[in-house]
Amino acid sequence: EPEVTQTPSHQVTQMGQEVILRCVPISNHLYFYWYRQILGQKVEFLVSFYNNEISEKSEIFDDQFSVERPDGSNFTLKIRSTKLEDSAMYFCASSERGTDYNEQFFGPGTRLTVL
Amino acid sequence: QKEVEQNSGPLSVPEGAIASLNCTYSDRVSQSFFWYRQYSGKSPELIMSIYSNGDKEDGRFTAQLNKASQYVSLLIRDSQPSDSATYLCAVGKASGGGADGLTFGKGTHLIIQP
Repeated sequence: EPEVTQTPSHQVTQMGQEVILRCVPISNHLYFYWYRQILGQKVEFLVSFYNNEISEKSEIFDDQFSVERPDGSNFTLKIRSTKLEDSAMYFCASSERGTDYNEQFFGPGTRLTVL
Repeated sequence: QKEVEQNSGPLSVPEGAIASLNCTYSDRVSQSFFWYRQYSGKSPELIMSIYSNGDKEDGRFTAQLNKASQYVSLLIRDSQPSDSATYLCAVGKASGGGADGLTFGKGTHLIIQP
């Protein structure tokens, strides 16, 4: 069964460093998403992406964040200058549709720890 | 501010009984409703989606939607210990194009007692 994959599973970085989180969405999906979940808190939407551009972004997704689809399979989230409060699980998701009936399937996540 | 509310629990249910999980949402334009299951330390796993008022059944799971009351529920019949997890309610809107981010509730922690 097709699934979303993410690498790395765990990333440890120093405050102020740049990190890139990688995702391979399900192959026939066209809509991609990043979410984060701080330990013990709810899953929060960061950004969605379609047709090589950002479709929607939340207040969390400020100038330190960027997304890119560098090739036909990967979807990346870059955090330019990490802060302690960026420590969280980051989930990539993909869906076949963007709105109506847009079932989103999540990857296993990347645990980001900022020291 | 879009909000999705769930009782955090824990909700304790005997094995074999029916577990009933509830969710309310604040944004009236919401059109898509999902239930995800999340085991500790794992990612959300989609178990049910519902888009129209009424009931939708899939195996042991039944999702119920009442848009007038802004209420979504999930029933799990014949509860098994493996159903013990946190259940997340997620809501999306029909934005007419692009990719629609979901708003999640905090989740209900369900414990099935053997």
